[in-house]
Amino acid sequence: EPEVTQTPSHQVTQMGQEVILRCVPISNHLYFYWYRQILGQKVEFLVSFYNNEISEKSEIFDDQFSVERPDGSNFTLKIRSTKLEDSAMYFCASSVGGGPYEQYFGPGTRLTVT
Amino acid sequence: QKEVEQNSGPLSVPEGAIASLNCTYSDRGSQSFFWYRQYSGKSPELIMFIYSNGDKEDGRFTAQLNKASQYVSLLIRDSQPSDSATYLCAVLRGGNNRLAFGKGNQVVVIP
Repeated sequence: EPEVTQTPSHQVTQMGQEVILRCVPISNHLYFYWYRQILGQKVEFLVSFYNNEISEKSEIFDDQFSVERPDGSNFTLKIRSTKLEDSAMYFCASSVGGGPYEQYFGPGTRLTVT
Repeated sequence: QKEVEQNSGPLSVPEGAIASLNCTYSDRGSQSFFWYRQYSGKSPELIMFIYSNGDKEDGRFTAQLNKASQYVSLLIRDSQPSDSATYLCAVLRGGNNRLAFGKGNQVVVIP
């Protein structure tokens, strides 16, 4: 069964460093998403992406964040200058369409900022 | 007012019993509703979605939607120890691209 994959599973970085989190969405899906979950808190939406552009973003997704689809399979989230409060699980998700279609989540990348 | 609320504390149910979870949402215009299961340290796993008022059954799971009262519920019949997890209610928001999640309800099935 097709699934969303993410790398790395765990990333440790120092405050102020840049990190890139990678995702490979399900192959026939057209909509891609990033969510994050701080330990013990709810899952929060960051950004949605369709047709090579951002379709929606949350207030969390400020200028420090960017997304890119550098090729036909990968979808990346870049954090330019990490802060301690960026420590969280980051989940990539994809769906076959926008609107009322199921979003399938990858296994996540645990980001630890020290 | 929170977009999605799941207020119940941890729910302990004996094996074989029915677990009942509730969720309310604030936007009356919401159309699409999802239940995800999340094991500790893992990602959300989709188990049910519902778009129309009434009940939808899938195996041991039944989702119920009441748009007039703005609540969604999930019933787990014949609960198994493997059902022990946190159950997340999610509502599709924004330009129909953003899932808004509740905090989740932890379910513990006691053998």
